[in-house]
Amino acid sequence: EVQPVESGGGLVQPGGSLRLSCAASGFTFSNYAMSWVRQAPGKGLEYVATISASGGDTYYADSVKGRFTISRDNSKNTLYLQVNTLRAEDTAVYFCAKDPTTATTGYFDSWGQGTLVTVSS
Amino acid sequence: DIVMTQSPDSLAVSLGERATINCKSSQSVLYSSNNKNHLAWYQQKPGQPPKLLVYWASIRESGVPDRFSGSGSGTDFTLTISSLQAEDVAVYYCQHYRSTPITFGQGTRLEIK
Repeated sequence: EVQPVESGGGLVQPGGSLRLSCAASGFTFSNYAMSWVRQAPGKGLEYVATISASGGDTYYADSVKGRFTISRDNSKNTLYLQVNTLRAEDTAVYFCAKDPTTATTGYFDSWGQGTLVTVSS
Repeated sequence: DIVMTQSPDSLAVSLGERATINCKSSQSVLYSSNNKNHLAWYQQKPGQPPKLLVYWASIRESGVPDRFSGSGSGTDFTLTISSLQAEDVAVYYCQHYRSTPITFGQGTRLEIK
């Protein structure tokens, strides 16, 4: 079964940093683009970032560009999101999501359960 | 950025009746090079991650009941549930993937009348 599992969330003060991880299993991780999508409490879905299968191409939402960095380690089947200079509005559940094809298509056929990031003093 | 606008924001439908959710994009999501509409629909139940229902605007994901169907082209799209079941209570989102950044609609909450 395709099952991404996120970790690394928690309570952090404004201006702080975290590294989120997404461990993938059930598929050949290195063949697929991966993304992060977040959801603030009680709100809708917001795209955060995408990384191509090889890791050579990355894309970001304007709201996180320059503060967040998406990366991957294909030898460890793991996706990462380094989140820096956190703001209250970054409080959300962060989902990792898998692209359905070996190209970077942009929709998502498998999602993790999410990890909650809370930014508060 | 392409803005996705769903209507209505919430919807109450009787069991067994048809539910229709609309999604409008601020620019066409039809890509001329592949003649495909880069539009997906997701279902999200409380406490769960989103689940892919439809992609390329009208292709149903494997395992999704055939009462779910997607239609539309260009800037106007529809998700239809032909006969509402109790387990269909959820929030539904459209999403374009025509260009970066990807954007989602604001969501439509579907309830039982």
